[in-house]
Amino acid sequence: QVQLVESGGGLVKPGGSLRLSCSVSGFTFNDFYMSWVRQAPGKGLEWLAYIRSSGATMYIADSVRGRFAISRDTAKQSLSLQMTSLTPDDTGVYYCARVGNGFNHLDSWGQGTPVTVSS
Amino acid sequence: QTVVTQESSFSVSPGGTVTFTCGLSSGSVSTSYYPSWYQQTPGQAPRTLIHSTNSRSSGVPDRFSASILGNKAALTITGAQAEDESDYYCLLYVGSGIWVFGGGTKLTVL
Repeated sequence: QVQLVESGGGLVKPGGSLRLSCSVSGFTFNDFYMSWVRQAPGKGLEWLAYIRSSGATMYIADSVRGRFAISRDTAKQSLSLQMTSLTPDDTGVYYCARVGNGFNHLDSWGQGTPVTVSS
Repeated sequence: QTVVTQESSFSVSPGGTVTFTCGLSSGSVSTSYYPSWYQQTPGQAPRTLIHSTNSRSSGVPDRFSASILGNKAALTITGAQAEDESDYYCLLYVGSGIWVFGGGTKLTVL
């Protein structure tokens, strides 16, 4: 059974940093691209980033490029999102998602971890 | 910057049929955008319904179908049920490794 479990969310002050993690199980982590998606309170989904299975190639949405970085650790079966220079607009629930076969959709989702940026 | 457009809301009667669309602020949606569709109820993680334009994900009822209609991707629910009351999002691959979600459509079943 595919499982994705996010952690690391919480309250952070504007200008601060936070590192989110996503621990996976139930599938061969090395075989899949992975992605992060967020959702601001009362708003829609926003795709943030994905990283290829090798970890050598990643793509970041314009809205967070230069502040957010995606990475993966095969040994730990874990995906990360390093977030810096946070603003209140970064507040929301952050979801880890697996990229499905064909590399063109998200086929499994975690339950999300909430991030609040506030002074 | 690419904007993916969706209707903000729809209402359907139980047993009825409803079609949502997913378009582009500039240009037409084709299979090359690999449209996928996601269902989300409040407080829950999204659920994948459709990928690669019209392929249902595992466990998704066959009342959900999808296609390209004109210059947009479309999701149709035939025989809507109360449990289908949710938010629906489309996701498009717009090139250069970038994906964009639409703003979502809120479906009310009443």
